[in-house]
Amino acid sequence: KQEVTQIPAALSVPEGENLVLNCSFTDSAIYNLQWFRQDPGKGLTSLLLIQSSQREQTSGRLNASLDKSSGRSTLYIAASQPGDSATYLCAVYARAQKLVFGQGTRLTINP
Amino acid sequence: DGGITQSPKYLFRKEGQNVTLSCEQNLNHDAMYWYRQDPGQGLRLIYYSQIVNDFQKGDIAEGYSVSREKKESFPLTVTSAQKNPTAFYLCASSSQGDYGYTFGSGTRLTVV
Repeated sequence: KQEVTQIPAALSVPEGENLVLNCSFTDSAIYNLQWFRQDPGKGLTSLLLIQSSQREQTSGRLNASLDKSSGRSTLYIAASQPGDSATYLCAVYARAQKLVFGQGTRLTINP
Repeated sequence: DGGITQSPKYLFRKEGQNVTLSCEQNLNHDAMYWYRQDPGQGLRLIYYSQIVNDFQKGDIAEGYSVSREKKESFPLTVTSAQKNPTAFYLCASSSQGDYGYTFGSGTRLTVV
């Protein structure tokens, strides 16, 4: 059974810092990995989608990498801003067309 | 703009009552999903549908029912058999191309 783990569960950093969020998964037979952002009481916003044949994706200040062999993905946020404060969720798309989520990392950027 | 619309945003249910949550998408996606989110438990899959007139149970289907009569619509009914329905419900859809998921803005259901 696929399990997805996100570390740390919560992170608080001052504005302007570069930071890394980690995601690990137990079964490397995935089709893709997707990073989402969730603001309190809101739905999920897709940030980056990495196909299984890709190693990384970039969008603005965000960069996500994927290493299937080690079962790991990282989300790198450059020059963090208070508006980046949210919960970040990692999810892998595996067999039986089911998206399996991690528990999320709650990020706080302090001005 | 294409997207997923969930309604209502807030819903209150009395004991013993069935309620239906609406989910509509205009992304031309074949697959649609319902997730439940509880504090500290992450997202759990309730039901999913890969094609019209077909759907499968997810991990926590008991007390819920769905229908998929149109490609664009995937309503979720929370029945009186669901003993703890208070939660945040999220609808999603995905394309067959890259399997990327798009989520709606959610419905918060509260039992009163």
